[in-house]
Amino acid sequence: EAQVTQNPRYLITVTGKKLTVTCSQNMNHEYMSWYRQDPGLGLRQIYYSMNVEVTDKGDVPEGYKVSRKEKRNFPLILESPSPNQTSLYFCASRGPGEQYFGPGTRLTVT
Amino acid sequence: GIQVEQSPPDLILQEGANSTLRCNFSDSVNNLQWFHQNPWGQLINLFYIPSGTKQNGRLSATTVATERYSLLYISSSQTTDSGVYFCAVMGGVSNYQLIWGAGTKLIIKP
Repeated sequence: EAQVTQNPRYLITVTGKKLTVTCSQNMNHEYMSWYRQDPGLGLRQIYYSMNVEVTDKGDVPEGYKVSRKEKRNFPLILESPSPNQTSLYFCASRGPGEQYFGPGTRLTVT
Repeated sequence: GIQVEQSPPDLILQEGANSTLRCNFSDSVNNLQWFHQNPWGQLINLFYIPSGTKQNGRLSATTVATERYSLLYISSSQTTDSGVYFCAVMGGVSNYQLIWGAGTKLIIKP
């Protein structure tokens, strides 16, 4: 079954404590990306990756890092989370046609 | 870049009713998808439909690429159809990134 998985699904953390949200896809897709979704602002792209070792900034990259060492994995790293990064995060993977989304990670930074 | 407009922004219906959601886009596209975001926040792929017509159970979609619009039809609505429906497109200079509409919020009352 085509799938994008994310972990954790829910996370409450404190300001400044580094965290990583993992993302994995089983479709051998080259393109992967991260989005955040906030009320009234829709989905905004954070980073994307066209292939292994190729990453680029999306619309709202400040405060985030990513890496793409393997085709299937695309973790999102918050080195020093702040309360304005409280949001719903989605990982996505795209092949020649449609884009698939992970189940989302609800992050709260206090 | 491409502009995506969805209408109506909000729709409240009784269970069993039919509905039509519209997505207009400002330039030619090579990718158009419809998504349903359920009340738990999950983004579910409904259709990948850059042109033509597709059906999946009670849902169907039509994209008329030459006239730059797509329609999503929901028949015999059920309460589980509630949520936000997004249209997202790719094309033109944004050939690597999905451009999102603001969504149609659908509430189905029992």
